[in-house]
Amino acid sequence: AAGVIQSPRHLIKEKRETATLKCYPIPRHDTVYWYQQGPGQDPQFLISFYEKMQSDKGSIPDRFSAQQFSDYHSELNMSSLELGDSALYFCASSFGTTHTDTQYFGPGTRLTVL
Amino acid sequence: AQKITQTQPGMFVQEKEAVTLDCTYDTSDQSYGLFWYKQPSSGEMIFLIYQGSYDEQNATEGRYSLNFQKARKSANLVISASQLGDSAMYFCAMRSSGAGSYQLTFGKGTKLSVIP
Repeated sequence: AAGVIQSPRHLIKEKRETATLKCYPIPRHDTVYWYQQGPGQDPQFLISFYEKMQSDKGSIPDRFSAQQFSDYHSELNMSSLELGDSALYFCASSFGTTHTDTQYFGPGTRLTVL
Repeated sequence: AQKITQTQPGMFVQEKEAVTLDCTYDTSDQSYGLFWYKQPSSGEMIFLIYQGSYDEQNATEGRYSLNFQKARKSANLVISASQLGDSAMYFCAMRSSGAGSYQLTFGKGTKLSVIP
């Protein structure tokens, strides 16, 4: 079965640079979520989109922005990178938006900021 | 506000034995979903099992079962016949039915080590 695709899988950036993470949800899934997992931490919700509209927002820094495109893929844009942004970034997708709908996670993008 | 508590930072289990990973939750919502995910050392987050707040029967998926006790607000994961490949971090997560609430709230996780 098709899974969530994330690219790139690994990314190394310098402080103050920008980064763009891409996510391709499971086909027919209409909702995309972004999570950030710091070293030794649990995942923290950043933002979600349903049918290309922002549906919920968590602890996403103002330096980050995201959008979902007409083909349902999503991109997380990160600017003025800081050392503390080094983390594993997950995209997840679901078919439906209720609390009963399972979120399936991609393999993650490991971002290292030097 | 929702909260998930996993009180076991680490657990050891002998291969082929069963193990229970604890999870308690706190929410004021009547409708909610509880999820368990497995995260191997390679980093991916794998969905294991789901339990709805109104489900009368405990969820089961192969070797995974969920011991759901609503009155105690607990949703413990039971893994039967442990295998070496079960060694991983396990996260309990919740999502409420609140309007505009799409996010999963995770616990801190339990690191399970299976001993040969």
